[in-house]
Amino acid sequence: SQTIHQWPATLVQPVGSPLSLECTVEGTSNPNLYWYRQAAGRGLQLLFYSVGIGQISSEVPQNLSASRPQDRQFILSSKKLLLSDSGFYLCAWSVRGGQPQHFGDGTRLSIL
Amino acid sequence: KNEVEQSPQNLTAQEGEFITINCSYSVGISALHWLQQHPGGGIVSLFMLSSGKKKHGRLIATINIQEKHSSLHITASHPRDSAVYICAVWVDSNYQLIWGAGTKLIIKP
Repeated sequence: SQTIHQWPATLVQPVGSPLSLECTVEGTSNPNLYWYRQAAGRGLQLLFYSVGIGQISSEVPQNLSASRPQDRQFILSSKKLLLSDSGFYLCAWSVRGGQPQHFGDGTRLSIL
Repeated sequence: KNEVEQSPQNLTAQEGEFITINCSYSVGISALHWLQQHPGGGIVSLFMLSSGKKKHGRLIATINIQEKHSSLHITASHPRDSAVYICAVWVDSNYQLIWGAGTKLIIKP
């Protein structure tokens, strides 16, 4: 069966520190991978999606970047976190050409 | 105006009540999703609809494509149904799943 792992579940970081959130998928090959962010009181917003290794599309300009070093690994990073980066980050995957229906447990990021 | 609007934002009901959560959207879509987010944050897909009605246990989801409206119903509600319910629509371009802000449901025993 397919599963998706996302960690850590919660993270508290100081302003200006780096960030690395990791998401891995099991039980499938060549998935589309997605990173979403949910700011307080708002709906989830697509940050990045990837259709293959090294292929990253960004939906909104921001202080974050994403990488896909392996087929089933998707990493969200920042060199210097801002207060506005606080929020709930969610990883998801779909089959090629499909819609995201499989979601990680999310990471709640607080910037101090 | 947001592309996906949900109502109500918050809903508190007694155990056993029939629950309805509404979702309206303003863009052309190929599918609509209903998802559940528990307090810990994890999101679970409940339904994906492109027309008509789907039922799973005590949950029923309907969609009217012409009116650009969908509803999620919960029959015989139970405290374990307490969660945030999110409507999201799939637009056939740029892998866009556009999310509503969610409806926070609390079922009291």
